[in-house]
Amino acid sequence: DVKVTQSSRYLVKRTGEKVFLECVQDMDHENMFWYRQDPGLGLRLIYFSYDVKMKEKGDIPEGYSVSREKKERFSLILESASTNQTSMYLCVSGRVADTQYFGPGTRLTVL
Amino acid sequence: TQLLEQSPQFLSIQEGENLTVYCNSSSVFSSLQWYRQEPGEGPVLLVTVVTGGEVKKLKRLTFQFGDARKDSSLHITAAQPGDTGLYLCAGEVDFGNEKLTFGTGTRLTIIP
Repeated sequence: DVKVTQSSRYLVKRTGEKVFLECVQDMDHENMFWYRQDPGLGLRLIYFSYDVKMKEKGDIPEGYSVSREKKERFSLILESASTNQTSMYLCVSGRVADTQYFGPGTRLTVL
Repeated sequence: TQLLEQSPQFLSIQEGENLTVYCNSSSVFSSLQWYRQEPGEGPVLLVTVVTGGEVKKLKRLTFQFGDARKDSSLHITAAQPGDTGLYLCAGEVDFGNEKLTFGTGTRLTIIP
């Protein structure tokens, strides 16, 4: 069974903290993505990666960075969390032209 | 980034009724996808349409891609409580660039 797992379902952090969101896929996919989902705004692409150590900015990369040291793992980093980064974060694995698989999401609250 | 506008934003109907939700944009898409998302879960791909005018059926769900590839519709026949969820459309403008533009979503509730 295809799996995309995210390290936490719920996370509460304080303003200014460094936050790591981890995503692991078991499908040997080259492409992995991070989106955030907010009511009324839909899903917005933060960063994506098409290979180990490769990354590309999406539509809203400000305040975020990513790390892809191994093919199966794609991490999203909030260097200094702010309240406007409170959101649902979704990791995706696979190519758009094929079938993409979403993780269950991490609901992050920044206080 | 041009958002895809979905309508209606919310829809609540009785079990057994038919419904249609819409996905519209001023942009042309090389492909368009429909997803369903249930509470606490990530979206799950339902269908991908790539040709203008294309119609695809998935059991009681019928998906249509507009002739100009700027819009799409999802029609559900005889809705069931299991159809409840958030329906999202997503379009890829440039084939192969791996960037999807997502719609704002239609939250559908089917009342038993």
